[in-house]
This record gives sequence, structure tokens and C-alpha cells, in this order.
Amino acid sequence: KNEVEQSPQNLTAQEGEFITINCSYSVGISALHWLQQHPGGGIVSLFMLSSGKKKHGRLIATINIQEKHSSLHITASHPRDSAVYICAVRSYNTDKLIFGTGTRLQVFP
Amino acid sequence: DTGVSQDPRHKITKRGQNVTFRCDPISEHNRLYWYRQTLGQGPEFLTYFQNEAQLEKSRLLSDRFSAERPKGSFSTLEIQRTEQGDSAMYLCASSLDKGQIYGYTFGSGTRLTVV
Repeated sequence: KNEVEQSPQNLTAQEGEFITINCSYSVGISALHWLQQHPGGGIVSLFMLSSGKKKHGRLIATINIQEKHSSLHITASHPRDSAVYICAVRSYNTDKLIFGTGTRLQVFP
Repeated sequence: DTGVSQDPRHKITKRGQNVTFRCDPISEHNRLYWYRQTLGQGPEFLTYFQNEAQLEKSRLLSDRFSAERPKGSFSTLEIQRTEQGDSAMYLCASSLDKGQIYGYTFGSGTRLTVV
């Protein structure tokens, strides 16, 4: 079992829909990251969370430390949101990130 | 500052050849990380540096792989005697200290294809 699990693996949506991507992890963490990866390969950091909730534009990220679970929400989705969204955690006993396998999102007009 | 730069963006090489990739981190970042990402998977940790010191290496990093950060600025990742299984995206990231306050900045990656 991977230390970081994401669901769903693939997601399609119509423009305007509300999107939720889930991440569960099994290790103790100091922070959780949500990242966006476009087809060219480059990764952009969206959020870094250690508790609670953060919002940036149409993106909202939440984390429940007790349940070891985080969600990324996209409101009013748009075709330009199409990308792979990756959850990554930084565990207490290491300085490296442990990544989930990503959720491929396609938003159709 | 233009962020984390990786060179080349793409590399096609014949099996058995050696390849070297370069990563230029954000100038004030003292930590530099290398990750490898195969198709459909999340990135996997390879190694990281604090300044010029290599602090941790993954078991994924076989004897054919070597990484350096000689002056604590740019880093190189060399793969000797490449194999088809080395085909992947090699990602570099940098952070200020442990990334716990300001997070990490990623490069665009070097896509390696071994034919």
C-alpha cells in the first residue's frame, strides 16, 4: 500500500462543475502539498497545508490531520484547469516529499 | 530570479550511453532535490543536497547514478550505461532550508528516452 493514496485516478468534468480530489496518507506529516502538473511536465505548487483550510481563487484545499485526509476542490471548473493534480506529504522523519500517483483531470467546454 | 531551471528539457540516448542533466536552483535556496517520474506515476525521491553535501540517497539510485552539487549552487545528475528502464522524467526542486515555511519550487524536468 502506498503511503499517499489519491482518488480518483482520472476525472472528467463539464466546464462549470465543482471538482473534488481526495488524498489519504498513512505517515505522520509536517506538511501536505497540492501540486499541479501540466503535460509539459513542470510542476507548480498550489498549496502547502499543515492544518485547516486554504483558498486561492477558485481553488480550496482542506486537511484533517486526525483523519490523515486532504481534499482539493475546484469551483467553477474551466478547461484550463485540465492537468494532473498531485498530493505530496513531507513526513516528520525525513526531509523529502512522498508523492501520490496523481489525479488526471480533464474539463470539457 | 527565473525559478528552477533544468537542462536539457529532452534527451534521447542510445542504451549504454552516459547522460548528464543539470539543475540550477533558485539562488538563495540551499536545498536541492532530485526526483524521477515514470509515466502515470508520481515522482519518486532520488537524492537531495543541503548546500554541497549530499544528505540522502534513495535505494533507487543505483551505482550507475551519481549526483553532485560541487559549489552548493547548480547540481548535475549523471547516469552511466543507460538502460531502457531509465526512461523517465527527471525533476529537480529546491527549497529554502527544509521547505517547511516556503515550500518547494520545481523545475520543468528533463525527459529522458533511452532507445
